[in-house]
Amino acid sequence: AQSVTQLDSHVSVSEGTPVLLRCNYSSSYSPSLFWYVQHPNKGLQLLLKYTSAATLVKGINGFEAEFKKSETSFHLTKPSAHMSDAAEYFCVVSFYSGTYKYIFGTGTRLKVLA
Amino acid sequence: DTAVSQTPKYLVTQMGNDKSIKCEQNLGHDTMYWYKQDSKKFLKIMFSYNNKELIINETVPNRFSPKSPDKAHLNLHINSLELGDSAVYFCASSQSDRGQNTEAFFGQGTRLTVV
Repeated sequence: AQSVTQLDSHVSVSEGTPVLLRCNYSSSYSPSLFWYVQHPNKGLQLLLKYTSAATLVKGINGFEAEFKKSETSFHLTKPSAHMSDAAEYFCVVSFYSGTYKYIFGTGTRLKVLA
Repeated sequence: DTAVSQTPKYLVTQMGNDKSIKCEQNLGHDTMYWYKQDSKKFLKIMFSYNNKELIINETVPNRFSPKSPDKAHLNLHINSLELGDSAVYFCASSQSDRGQNTEAFFGQGTRLTVV
């Protein structure tokens, strides 16, 4: 079965310090993995995606993630947090079952302290 | 240009009423979805249609009935609304060429409050 586990429900960092949001996946197949961000009372915006090309994926707003098959991980990082990064982040795995199905993790709320 | 648009954005209604949420995508995608986001922010897939055909139907009460008049539209009708239906409902679309998985594009959500 395909699933994702986000290891931290809440993460707090100071502005200007690095961000690490952790995600582990379980997939019977070569997975496609995504990170989405949801700002308060907003929709879901794609940050980045991994679809079996380069294992280090760069996304928008300075975020990147590294696919590590041996660790079944797809952690999201950013070198320096900005106040505007405060939001809910979702790790997503997708797989084909008649059509593509997107399975969401439970989300990590990122708080950025001034 | 809004890629995936849903209406209404907010919906407040009484228990027992019937309501619909509309969704349209202008991306030319062949697959559309409905997701429910509960109060703890957890997103769960409800339905998926591919070229107007129902493909995914998770364990959802049959009071929820999706309708896809064409591949650019997927509406959600809910009968006999209950308090537990209060949530944010997201519509999404993607292109499902097997072997070329792209991301799903999401609408802005419809916040449904049942009182």
